[in-house]
Amino acid sequence: GESVGLHLPTLSVQEGDNSIINCAYSNSASDYFIWYKQESGKGPQFIIDIRSNMDKRQGQRVTVLLNKTVKHLSLQIAATQPGDSAVYFCAEGAQKLVFGQGTRLTINP
Amino acid sequence: DGGITQSPKYLFRKEGQNVTLSCEQNLNHDAMYWYRQDPGQGLRLIYYSQIVNDFQKGDIAEGYSVSREKKESFPLTVTSAQKNPTAFYLCASSSGSSIRYTFGSGTRLTVV
Repeated sequence: GESVGLHLPTLSVQEGDNSIINCAYSNSASDYFIWYKQESGKGPQFIIDIRSNMDKRQGQRVTVLLNKTVKHLSLQIAATQPGDSAVYFCAEGAQKLVFGQGTRLTINP
Repeated sequence: DGGITQSPKYLFRKEGQNVTLSCEQNLNHDAMYWYRQDPGQGLRLIYYSQIVNDFQKGDIAEGYSVSREKKESFPLTVTSAQKNPTAFYLCASSSGSSIRYTFGSGTRLTVV
């Protein structure tokens, strides 16, 4: 069946460093990929998305990279701040999203 | 502002009782979804609806029921048949032209 997995369940970075969160997916038919941020006790919030016809997309301090050859998706956060502490979910799909397990990002002062 | 509203934020249920979680959206989205999230876990799909008066089971539908009588509303009932209902429940919606989901703020259900 479809699955979206993450390489690491937790990631700890120093404040000010760049963070890279990785995600593997298995469904070659997926044409849409998205990252969400979930703070404790809240619903997931949209960060950035990308379609399969692109390999890179940039937002404010965030970049999503898509490698369809190896079915890999990554989220890069520049100059990580304390407010970036959260669980980050990747999701992929064509008609309906399939979510990964999530990576907890913690920021060390 | 458009958005998706879940209520209540916290809900307590005695064993053997049914409870209904509310989800309302004013985004004019066609599709709506219910997810369950356990501590330290990902999102598991309970039910989803792509149009009014139609819905499909997700991966963990047993012990849950839904209705979709109005486009704006997609209530979830947690029945007494659900053996371990304590969890964080998330509702989401998406338009017909995109599968970018908008999530509500969640309802935390605790069985006491």
